[in-house]
Amino acid sequence: GQQLNQSPQSMFIQEGEDVSMNCTSSSIFNTWLWYKQDPGEGPVLLIALYKAGELTSNGRLTAQFGITRKDSFLNISASIPSDVGIYFCAGLRTSGTYKYIFGTGTRLKVLA
Amino acid sequence: SQTIHQWPATLVQPVGSPLSLECTVEGTSNPNLYWYRQAAGRGLQLLFYSVGIGQISSEVPQNLSASRPQDRQFILSSKKLLLSDSGFYLCAWSRQEKLFFGSGTQLSVL
Repeated sequence: GQQLNQSPQSMFIQEGEDVSMNCTSSSIFNTWLWYKQDPGEGPVLLIALYKAGELTSNGRLTAQFGITRKDSFLNISASIPSDVGIYFCAGLRTSGTYKYIFGTGTRLKVLA
Repeated sequence: SQTIHQWPATLVQPVGSPLSLECTVEGTSNPNLYWYRQAAGRGLQLLFYSVGIGQISSEVPQNLSASRPQDRQFILSSKKLLLSDSGFYLCAWSRQEKLFFGSGTQLSVL
């Protein structure tokens, strides 16, 4: 099935560093979602974005809905060991279509 | 608040055996419900979604089926499992464009 381009694929960073990742698409989306998944568990919703240019924070996490509506960004500030996991983006074109398109995931590892 | 329950957490089944995975949502009514499959280290594949009781849409032809006998209950089934059915199965529900996942079932078909 269709997937969003998510980069980087993986990251190794030192504790305390900031992290940036992004998702891009050739299509326009009306909603962007960001998730974190720990091994053996379901993805947990971190941030939801609903309009172009929107910037939303959740603690140390900040996500932005790209102006073109074809991309989204997630930043994590001052990373800590528990930030380790796989981060997924997801896009939804229009309300009611029910077909969320997911990114390929960014695997984050934090070195203490 | 809304919660989603999915069970079992892990399952080991022989090839050719039947399958039944169950998911229930609490704290909301008439949710949209979904079944996804995630292969190891890969993305999420939508298998089925449902907008109401008895209404099931299939996204990919496969050895699996889904049913929604009650408003907040979604069941994933198979009559005869294949090796290729192994994977991590996730139930989810959506509201106001937000999608929430259950804890997942790790299915190993041997």
